[in-house]
Amino acid sequence: NAGVTQTPKFQVLKTGQSMTLQCAQDMNHNSMYWYRQDPGMGLRLIYYSASEGTTDKGEVPNGYNVSRLNKREFSLRLESAAPSQTSVYFCASSKTGIGNTIYFGEGSWLTVV
Amino acid sequence: KNEVEQSPQNLTAQEGEFITINCSYSVGISALHWLQQHPGGGIVSLFMLSSGKKKHGRLIATINIQEKHSSLHITASHPRDSAVYICAQKGGGSEKLVFGKGTKLTVNP
Repeated sequence: NAGVTQTPKFQVLKTGQSMTLQCAQDMNHNSMYWYRQDPGMGLRLIYYSASEGTTDKGEVPNGYNVSRLNKREFSLRLESAAPSQTSVYFCASSKTGIGNTIYFGEGSWLTVV
Repeated sequence: KNEVEQSPQNLTAQEGEFITINCSYSVGISALHWLQQHPGGGIVSLFMLSSGKKKHGRLIATINIQEKHSSLHITASHPRDSAVYICAQKGGGSEKLVFGKGTKLTVNP
């Protein structure tokens, strides 16, 4: 049972380059999330998807786009990477509703130089 | 705005000590989560609670709805408990979790 799988685990980008972080879950969850984690700060929501075909901005959406390709997959795209986007990115998923456990991917370490 | 505050920010203990990590939130609760982040970075869910108390092994989570406060206790702490513990809350009718900044726990042998 893979749970939440995200790739790549590590990536170095040059300023201005683009890339896509991939995330897939095999738990039939409706809700999927992308977070970033920076030193001294809590996890911050970038984008959220309540179901296939729907996405919603979170706390820090600027510079990112997302795509909920199907129920399993939720990708995060950086169109023109900036050093401020150097961070650790986590994908997560859960069932819809307030009382459900959230499951996280292993994280993707992104450095923009 | 929903805010989640954790204390302490850092905690060092000797093996065997009883540990308490605190979490306060600002808006009415739907669900409160306690998460553990290992040194390698992976995040796992420890508890989800909306009232009362839950126990799993040496870990106990409690919540006081009136005071908008939750605690995570670790009994007989062990070096393998060393991790960052994160409190997160859903509240105010939102599906989105709001996270505390985490408490870094180090348990020395």
